[in-house]
Formats: sequence, structure tokens, C-alpha cells
Amino acid sequence: SQTIHQWPATLVQPVGSPLSLECTVEGTSNPNLYWYRQAAGRGLQLLFYSVGIGQISSEVPQNLSASRPQDRQFILSSKKLLLSDSGFYLCAWGTGSNQPQHFGDGTRLSIL
Amino acid sequence: AQSVTQLDSQVPVFEEAPVELRCNYSSSVSVYLFWYVQYPNQGLQLLLKYLSGSTLVKGINGFEAEFNKSQTSFHLRKPSVHISDTAEYFCAVSGYYTGTASKLTFGTGTRLQVTL
Repeated sequence: SQTIHQWPATLVQPVGSPLSLECTVEGTSNPNLYWYRQAAGRGLQLLFYSVGIGQISSEVPQNLSASRPQDRQFILSSKKLLLSDSGFYLCAWGTGSNQPQHFGDGTRLSIL
Repeated sequence: AQSVTQLDSQVPVFEEAPVELRCNYSSSVSVYLFWYVQYPNQGLQLLLKYLSGSTLVKGINGFEAEFNKSQTSFHLRKPSVHISDTAEYFCAVSGYYTGTASKLTFGTGTRLQVTL
């Protein structure tokens, strides 16, 4: 069966520090991969998605970037964090528009 | 482009009572519809999905939803809720596109609070 792993579960970082969140998927090949951010009391906002190694699409302009160095690995990064980057970050994988996406357990990011 | 509206940000209900969480969508193309549940500090878990066929869809934990194309709605229902159903519920829509990654558009969520 397929599983998705995200880490760390929680992270507290100072403003201006770098960021690296990692997501890996097991049990499937060539998945579509997604990064979402969930702000308190709001829905999920799609940040990035990837249909293959090295292929990244950005949905909103922001202080973050994403990379997909391997088929089942998706990384969310920042060179300098802002206070507004705080939130709950979720990674997800899927296989097509007629199939649901499956989510990891998320990373709670707090910026001080 | 698609959009999803969940009009109720919070729904309080007593245990064993029925509940309906409302979801309306708009889209210029055919859609696939999903309901997800999120427990505190966890990711989203799929409750049910509508892809095609019967408009009444049954999901996990006793939930069901009905797709109504004319009213562009996909309301979630449960005939008798339990304390453990307390969570945030998200409606999501995916447009029918060929050859591209699916992109889900989420509503802002409905907090279901079940009390004794």
C-alpha cells in the first residue's frame, strides 16, 4: 500500500533562517506531488505541484520554493523565512484528476 | 477555474443527532468532488468522493453525500453523529482536465462540534 511521510512534525524557526521540509512517498511510481499551506481558520492553499522529477509548478508568488530531486521526494525550501510563512504545511500525492489526493500528517511551522 | 463555498464555518450538534454540512461549487468544466476530514494537528483523510454514476455516495464512518448538478451542491450528511466525529471537514473540487495533474480547490472548512 502507498504511504506518505512528512517531517518534521513541528518546527520553530527564527525570522530570516532557512527552511527545508521533506516529503516522501512509498508504494507508487511517478506520483503527482503537492505542497499546501493551511493558515489558521482557513482552507488549504496550493503552493506547488510536480508531475515529475525536476518539474515544479508554482501556484502563488511567495518566499518559498520547491524541488523534486527524486521520483518520490518533494522538498519545500526557503532561504530566509518571514513571519508570514508560519502555518501548517501539508504534502500530498495523487495520480490524476479523477482520483483523490492523499495527505501526509503535516508540519506545523512557527516563525519567531 | 473552480471555487468551493462552505457557508457554515461551525456546526454544533448533539450526539446521535443528524447533521448536514453544506458545500456548493462553481466550475466551467465537469468536476470531481471530494470530502475530507481533518482531526487536530493531522493531515486530511478522504471521507468520500464523487467521480460519476450514482449521485448518492457513501463514505467511511457512516457519512454520505449527494451530488446535485442543478444546484451545484455536494452536501455531506450523517444520520447520527458521535463525539468522535468532532473535526474539521473540507469539501474539495477537481476539474476534469486531461493530461495534467489534478489540482484540488478546497472550501474554507466546517468545524463540526459534537457534544453530549
